[in-house]
Amino acid sequence: GAVVSQHPSRVICKSGTSVKIECRSLDFQATTMFWYRQFPKQSLMLMATSNEGSKATYEQGVEKDKFLINHASLTLSTLTVTSAHPEDSSFYICSARYPVNLSGANVLTFGAGSRLTVL
Amino acid sequence: AQSVTQLDSQVPVFEEAPVELRCNYSSSVSVYLFWYVQYPNQGLQLLLKYLSGSTLVKSINGFEAEFNKSQTSFHLRKPSVHISDTAEYFCAVSFWGGYQKVTFGTGTKLQVIP
Repeated sequence: GAVVSQHPSRVICKSGTSVKIECRSLDFQATTMFWYRQFPKQSLMLMATSNEGSKATYEQGVEKDKFLINHASLTLSTLTVTSAHPEDSSFYICSARYPVNLSGANVLTFGAGSRLTVL
Repeated sequence: AQSVTQLDSQVPVFEEAPVELRCNYSSSVSVYLFWYVQYPNQGLQLLLKYLSGSTLVKSINGFEAEFNKSQTSFHLRKPSVHISDTAEYFCAVSFWGGYQKVTFGTGTKLQVIP
């Protein structure tokens, strides 16, 4: 159980175009999903928290107009990188909060990640 | 604020040798602790977690970690590593109760040498 599917796994695009990455919880409902960015040989940087039916909460320094997040249903969140530039090239990973007990332990289930390359 | 420190960025170890990956955390309140593993070009997978109860937690593939509150540590150990254990390992922490963010350490790359 608790599987998160992320698509596409790899995407190459031209500078100036927009790219959409999907994150789906396959066997559970995820009211909250998280989007991370991982630079080479570095840890995960939380970009934003995606809440079903409401606006995403962005971390400090993350451009919300550049990284559009939509969480339209309990099983799908999307990240759209708008007007992508080479510096946006990175590994993007989504995760969903999977409740394991009543105290709300925040166990995260991760997607396989999407490697974006902007030429 | 909470933080996680993984002092070792890389740990080379020979196959069948024991290994310890260190993790220390800082928090003023009680925490949940996790170890995640990441294989090349993949997302993270939960390896094991400490939520409450027994301070020694184990995974199905032979890893174990012990929560030490006095030393604020959650080191990951395995008595005998395999080539397939080569991966990046991330320690993570979140607060008790309600909605919390998860804070990750910088990761430790375990390289098993044949």
